[in-house]
Amino acid sequence: NAGVTQTPKFQVLKTGQSMTLQCAQDMNHEYMSWYRQDPGMGLRLIHYSVGAGITDQGEVPNGYNVSRSTTEDFPLRLLSAAPSQTSVYFCASKPELNTEAFFGQGTRLTVV
Amino acid sequence: AQSVTQLDSQVPVFEEAPVELRCNYSSSVSVYLFWYVQYPNQGLQLLLKYLSGSTLVKGINGFEAEFNKSQTSFHLRKPSVHISDTAEYFCAVSPSGTYKYIFGTGTRLKVLA
Repeated sequence: NAGVTQTPKFQVLKTGQSMTLQCAQDMNHEYMSWYRQDPGMGLRLIHYSVGAGITDQGEVPNGYNVSRSTTEDFPLRLLSAAPSQTSVYFCASKPELNTEAFFGQGTRLTVV
Repeated sequence: AQSVTQLDSQVPVFEEAPVELRCNYSSSVSVYLFWYVQYPNQGLQLLLKYLSGSTLVKGINGFEAEFNKSQTSFHLRKPSVHISDTAEYFCAVSPSGTYKYIFGTGTRLKVLA
C-alpha cells in the first residue's frame, strides 16, 4: 500500500516557468489537500477537494490551480512561478470527516 | 475562525529527561486534535489524536497528550526522550464537521546527549 505519493521530490524552476506537482493516493480517500510549509509558519492550506470534480480554495491559493478528475489524483499547478513560491509542498488525504490526514513525503521547490 | 498556538519554537532537552511541548487552540466550535512529527526531510507522521472519550491520549513512541477543554490546550509529553526523538512537532486542529486542518507553527525538539 503506497499511501500518498508525491512527485517530484525536488524541483528547481526559473521565475515565470510553469509546472505541475503530482499527488496520487491509493486509499480511495475522498478528501485531498495541498499545503505549503515555510519556516516558522507551519503548514498552510493552498487548495482542497472533497471529491472528484469538487475543489475549493484554502488559505493561500494565489498563484496555484488544482483540478480533481479522479479520486486518486490531485495535481497542483504553478502557473507562473515566483521566488515567493519557494517552499516545501505536501499533499494529504483523508478518508472521511473527523479522522487523521495522511501525508506524502513532500516536494521541495526552489524558484530562482 | 480557528487558530493554533505553539508557543515554543525550539525546545532543547537532555536525553532521558522529560519533555512537554505546549499547544493551545482557539475555536468557537468543537474540534478534533492531532499531533504530528516530522523527521528531517520527511513527511508528517501522526503521533496521536483526540477525537472523543478519555482526555489522556497515548500515541506512538511513548508520547502522550492530554486534552483540557477549559484551558483549550493539548500539550504533548514524554517522560524520557531519546536522541531519535529529535524532530519537529506540529499540533493541529480540525473543526468538527469539516475536512480542514489548522496547524500550529511547529516546535523543534532537539535532544542533547
